[in-house]
Amino acid sequence: EDKVVQSPLSLVVHEGDTVTLNCSYEVTNFRSLLWYKQEKKAPTFLFMLTSSGIEKKSGRLSSILDKKELFSILNITATQTGDSAIYLCAVEEYGNKLVFGAGTILRVKS
Amino acid sequence: DGGITQSPKYLFRKEGQNVTLSCEQNLNHDAMYWYRQDPGQGLRLIYYSQIVNDFQKGDIAEGYSVSREKKESFPLTVTSAQKNPTAFYLCASSTQRPPAGIPYGYTFGSGTRLTVV
Repeated sequence: EDKVVQSPLSLVVHEGDTVTLNCSYEVTNFRSLLWYKQEKKAPTFLFMLTSSGIEKKSGRLSSILDKKELFSILNITATQTGDSAIYLCAVEEYGNKLVFGAGTILRVKS
Repeated sequence: DGGITQSPKYLFRKEGQNVTLSCEQNLNHDAMYWYRQDPGQGLRLIYYSQIVNDFQKGDIAEGYSVSREKKESFPLTVTSAQKNPTAFYLCASSTQRPPAGIPYGYTFGSGTRLTVV
């Protein structure tokens, strides 16, 4: 059975801290791994990762994929209260299928 | 602007009632999906449709039904057979065959929060 496991399930940090969110997966027909940020409603796209070892960066957020060990991490440096959200990891399989993890709830305290 | 519209935003259902959640997209996407989100369980796939007049069950289809009579529309009916329907429901759409390295372009609606009263 295809599965995506995220850890930790929830995390509370102070502004300025650096956080690392983890995502491991077991899927049949891997195409890519996606990270989303969900605040109150629709998830918004952060990164798409297809190749091992190539870091994607966007401001204070960065992510990398290890296809040999079947995991990805999402790093957020110098966290701000606006980073508080649910971070979802999903794996795209060929054929449009998208398998989601349970998400990590991040709360950044001021 | 192109996007997905879900309605209503909030819905209250009495036990034993069927209710229908609306999802409309103007992105010209072929594929559409319904997900259910519960705390601690992420997004779980209820039904999906890759083409008009065709749809498949996802992981948790029991107690739900869908139709896909038009490309733009994919309504979800929560039937009385769904024993625990209180949840947040997200509709999504995507392209079918993007080039290599390009995501399927999943776009999500803003969701409907359904509560049984």
